[in-house]
Amino acid sequence: GDSVTQMEGPVTLSEEAFLTINCTYTATGYPSLFWYVQYPGEGLQLLLKATKADDKGSNKGFEATYRKETTSFHLEKGSVQVSDSAVYFCALKYPAQKLVFGQGTRLTINP
Amino acid sequence: EAGVAQSPRYKIIEKRQSVAFWCNPISGHATLYWYQQILGQGPKLLIQFQNNGVVDDSQLPKDRFSAERLKGVDSTLKIQPAKLEDSAVYLCASSLDGEGATNEKLFFGSGTQLSVL
Repeated sequence: GDSVTQMEGPVTLSEEAFLTINCTYTATGYPSLFWYVQYPGEGLQLLLKATKADDKGSNKGFEATYRKETTSFHLEKGSVQVSDSAVYFCALKYPAQKLVFGQGTRLTINP
Repeated sequence: EAGVAQSPRYKIIEKRQSVAFWCNPISGHATLYWYQQILGQGPKLLIQFQNNGVVDDSQLPKDRFSAERLKGVDSTLKIQPAKLEDSAVYLCASSLDGEGATNEKLFFGSGTQLSVL
């Protein structure tokens, strides 16, 4: 079945560092791809999404590009802040079907 | 716009007891999901409803878990009897997805944290 694999965490960076969290997927069709974020004590929130190949999703300085040739959707941010500390989940979804999540990557940003 | 409401926020029970969780989705959202998130893992779908019909319950442990969505709105998830391995956060989500809809995002509630002792 379809699945999502994320890089192992936890990831610890200093403020203003460059961030990459790797995500690759296995899919039989052409799903939409998502990044969700879970801040401490809060529910999951959509961070960004891309619905087709070569689309770039972006939000709050984060970006991810839907790469069909490498089946990847890596999350990047040029300069992270302490407030970006959270757990990040990559996920895929077909219309009217469930979100399939990766295992999550815990990110900690130190001042 | 009100979000997805869940209750209770926390629940502690002993094994073999029963427990129920409640979810009120965003108004007008056709699809409702229950996910189980075990500590350190990504959420796993337990059951998906579209209106009041079940779309996917392939990963629901039906010998102990049950769920219903009355009148296509609120939903309850029940565990009876609970096991130690049921300790997790139970997330409810909803989306506009309906027949012919485009690929809508999910809106999540804050979850119910269940501890089974």
